[in-house]
Amino acid sequence: AQKVTQAQTEISVVEKEDVTLDCVYETRDTTYYLFWYKQPPSGELVFLIRRNSFDEQNEISGRYSWNFQKSTSSFNFTITASQVVDSAVYFCALSELDSSNTGKLIFGQGTTLQVKP
Amino acid sequence: KAGVTQTPRYLIKTRGQQVTLSCSPISGHRSVSWYQQTPGQGLQFLFEYFSETQRNKGNFPGRFSGRQFSNSRSEMNVSTLELGDSALYLCASSVRGGIDQPQHFGDGTRLSIL
Repeated sequence: AQKVTQAQTEISVVEKEDVTLDCVYETRDTTYYLFWYKQPPSGELVFLIRRNSFDEQNEISGRYSWNFQKSTSSFNFTITASQVVDSAVYFCALSELDSSNTGKLIFGQGTTLQVKP
Repeated sequence: KAGVTQTPRYLIKTRGQQVTLSCSPISGHRSVSWYQQTPGQGLQFLFEYFSETQRNKGNFPGRFSGRQFSNSRSEMNVSTLELGDSALYLCASSVRGGIDQPQHFGDGTRLSIL
């Protein structure tokens, strides 16, 4: 069965520190997609990145970077030089093909990141 | 481009009542999914609609139902409300709902059951 584990429930850092959010997933499929979402206090989930199972290239977008390693079933997210505005709950999610051909997302429990000034 | 719009933002109901939540997807998006978020269970998939048809359903009792209209707007209904239904209900839309599609979420409806 598919499963996403975010072992870190809460992380607290001081502004300008680097922080890595861990994500480990389980799936039997060879074709799947992984996502990261950010949930600020307003409640809306904001899409950050998508990665498919055949593309293990790491990605960098400004202060954000993602490390995808199929060998360890991990898709970790690093924020460099964190800022107070990065404070939010971050979710890792898995989407795989099922009989309905829909993109049902399986979410991890989320990691609450607090960045202190 | 307007985002996903959910109404109302907040709702307070009592046990046994029923409730209807509304979601307007991003223009051009035909797939609408609903998720329930609670502190204990996290984010859980409720169901997904595409072209007015329910294509997938999560592991929720039959009290939870939904529908989609021809303009892709969707509603979900919860009947005979229970205390455990208190949650943030999030709607998400995508162009066609495939596994590769990023889903775009609304702000959610926070439902409180007294």
